[in-house]
Amino acid sequence: DAGVTQSPTHLIKTRGQQVTLRCSPKSGHDTVSWYQQALGQGPQFIFQYYEEEERQRGNFPDRFSGHQFPNYSSELNVNALLLGDSALYLCASSWGGGNYEQYFGPGTRLTVT
Amino acid sequence: AQSVTQLDSQVPVFEEAPVELRCNYSSSVSVYLFWYVQYPNQGLQLLLKYLSGSTLVKGINGFEAEFNKSQTSFHLRKPSVHISDTAEYFCADYNTNAGKSTFGDGTTLTVKP
Repeated sequence: DAGVTQSPTHLIKTRGQQVTLRCSPKSGHDTVSWYQQALGQGPQFIFQYYEEEERQRGNFPDRFSGHQFPNYSSELNVNALLLGDSALYLCASSWGGGNYEQYFGPGTRLTVT
Repeated sequence: AQSVTQLDSQVPVFEEAPVELRCNYSSSVSVYLFWYVQYPNQGLQLLLKYLSGSTLVKGINGFEAEFNKSQTSFHLRKPSVHISDTAEYFCADYNTNAGKSTFGDGTTLTVKP
């Protein structure tokens, strides 16, 4: 049973560029949530996708957008990258639109220079 | 408003000693509470969860936590720690009304020989 997978593992971008991160949920899960974890901090909720729609959103600017595909996989897009966007981006999957029992992927480490 | 506060940023302890990692939550609505562990360069792994029922919750790796509604606490305990328990521990809640999870800032547990 495959768990949550994320790609790429690491990524280095320059300020102003755009980035796309990818996530495949655990088998049987249909809900994907994205979190940003800055160094030394806890994960911060970005948004959640269920039934291919953004259902909940945290306190993040519109530069952060996402998408969910019919196979439940998801992408996180960040435009106009800032130095402060450097972080570990975690994807978590769950079932049925409720994210209280989540399974996390290993994360994508984004470094913006 | 909801928040999760982890009262200790770092907890050093000797091997085979007991440990308690403290977490307070503040929410006026029903909450689900969780403890996660994060090893270096990895995602989050669920240790245990409180959804309802018995206030003493047992998790993996010998950890347990007690939900205390009157003190709004959900402290994590282990009677005898191992070197391999060295990691970052996060307390989190899920607010059913808001449909979002909030994480504490983490507690670094360092087990010394």
